[in-house]
Amino acid sequence: SQTIHQWPATLVQPVGSPLSLECTVEGTSNPNLYWYRQAAGRGLQLLFYSVGIGQISSEVPQNLSASRPQDRQFILSSKKLLLSDSGFYLCAWSVQNPSGNTIYFGEGSWLTVV
Amino acid sequence: DQQVKQNSPSLSVQEGRISILNCDYTNSMFDYFLWYKKYPAEGPTFLISISSIKDKNEDGRFTVFLNKSAKHLSLHIVPSQPGDSAVYFCAALISNFGNEKLTFGTGTRLTIIP
Repeated sequence: SQTIHQWPATLVQPVGSPLSLECTVEGTSNPNLYWYRQAAGRGLQLLFYSVGIGQISSEVPQNLSASRPQDRQFILSSKKLLLSDSGFYLCAWSVQNPSGNTIYFGEGSWLTVV
Repeated sequence: DQQVKQNSPSLSVQEGRISILNCDYTNSMFDYFLWYKKYPAEGPTFLISISSIKDKNEDGRFTVFLNKSAKHLSLHIVPSQPGDSAVYFCAALISNFGNEKLTFGTGTRLTIIP
C-alpha cells in the first residue's frame, strides 16, 4: 500500500534561520507531489507541485523553495525564514493516471517562526 | 479570489442527527470535488469525492450532493457521531492528466454534541 511520511512533525525556528522539511512516498512510482500550507484561520494553499524529478512549479510568490532530488522525495526549504512563514505544512501525493483524482496527505509539520 | 467557499466557519449538531456541510464554487471548469476531514495537527484525510457528471455519491454515513447549476455541493453525515468532530474542507479541481491541483475552501469546524 502507498504511504507518505513527512518530518519533522514540529519545528520552532528563529527568524532568519534556514528551513528544510522532507517528504517521502512509498509504494508508488512517479507520483505527483505537492506542498500545501494551512495558515491560522485559513484554508489550504498550494505552494508547490511536481510532476517529476527536478520539475517544480510554484503557485504563489513566497520566501520558500522546493526540490525533488528523487522520484519519491520532495523537500521544502527556505534560506531565511520570516515570521509569516509560520503555519502547518502538508505534503501530498497523487498518482499520474486518469483515475488518480484523489490527493493523499502526509501527517503535517507545524512550523513556528519566532 | 476565493474560488471555493465554505461560508459557515463552524457548525454544531446533536449526536445522531444529520450534519450538513455546504460548499460553493465559482469556477465552472471544476469537474471533480472532494471532501477532506482534518483533526488538529494532523494531515487531512480524504472522505468522499464526486465527479461533475454525477449529482450524488454515497459511502456509508457520508453522502455528497452536487448541484452544478447552482455551483453548490454539500456533505451529509448521517447519523452524526462524536468522532466526526473535526474541520471539514471542500476541495475542487480541474481534471488534467498528470496535473491535479486542489483548490480548497477555508473549512467548516463541525462539533458533534453528545
